[in-house]
Amino acid sequence: AQTVTQSQPEMSVQEAETVTLSCTYDTSESDYYLFWYKQPPSRQMILVIRQEAYKQQNATENRFSVNFQKAAKSFSLKISDSQLGDAAMYFCAYRSLQGGSEKLVFGKGTKLTVNP
Amino acid sequence: GAGVSQSPSNKVTEKGKDVELRCDPISGHTALYWYRQRLGQGLEFLIYFQGNSAPDKSGLPSDRFSAERTGESVSTLTIQRTQQEDSAVYLCASSLAGTVYNSPLHFGNGTRLTVT
Repeated sequence: AQTVTQSQPEMSVQEAETVTLSCTYDTSESDYYLFWYKQPPSRQMILVIRQEAYKQQNATENRFSVNFQKAAKSFSLKISDSQLGDAAMYFCAYRSLQGGSEKLVFGKGTKLTVNP
Repeated sequence: GAGVSQSPSNKVTEKGKDVELRCDPISGHTALYWYRQRLGQGLEFLIYFQGNSAPDKSGLPSDRFSAERTGESVSTLTIQRTQQEDSAVYLCASSLAGTVYNSPLHFGNGTRLTVT
């Protein structure tokens, strides 16, 4: 079974600075999807960015980008020009392409604090 | 249109009682998912519906848990004879037909269940 590990329970960053959140995963599959979700205090999960494993190019969405290292099974999230509204729990997630399942496997999350 | 709606927002119940949690997905979304989030943990997959059928219910933790969906719309998650370890936030998500990559999940705000 696939597992997702987020080794940083908490991180903090100064407003306007850059922060990187780590995620590693364990799989024997060659193709899969990876996601980062944000969960503010409202509890609603919001998709931040997604990556297909077969794509070499790292995904970017405005201030959010990923560093996808397939051989190392690493999928880190970089937030540039951090804003107060970025403060939230961030979850890394894995989706297998085998077996027809649509389920996502989530890490335990990283709590990001943004200091003014 | 409206987002995914879950009710109740919070539920406190006594150990041994049955509870029903409701999810109203976004209109037109044929896929519906239930996840459980224990305190300080990531999301655990429970069940996935495509229309009114559940092709993947592998995450239901025991036979005390069941879910149904009717009219390709509303879904209810029922927990019978609740135990204290059932205390968690139960999150529902919906998406258009297709894979979770091409049809991102839209999450509700969850139901926080506390079993005393």
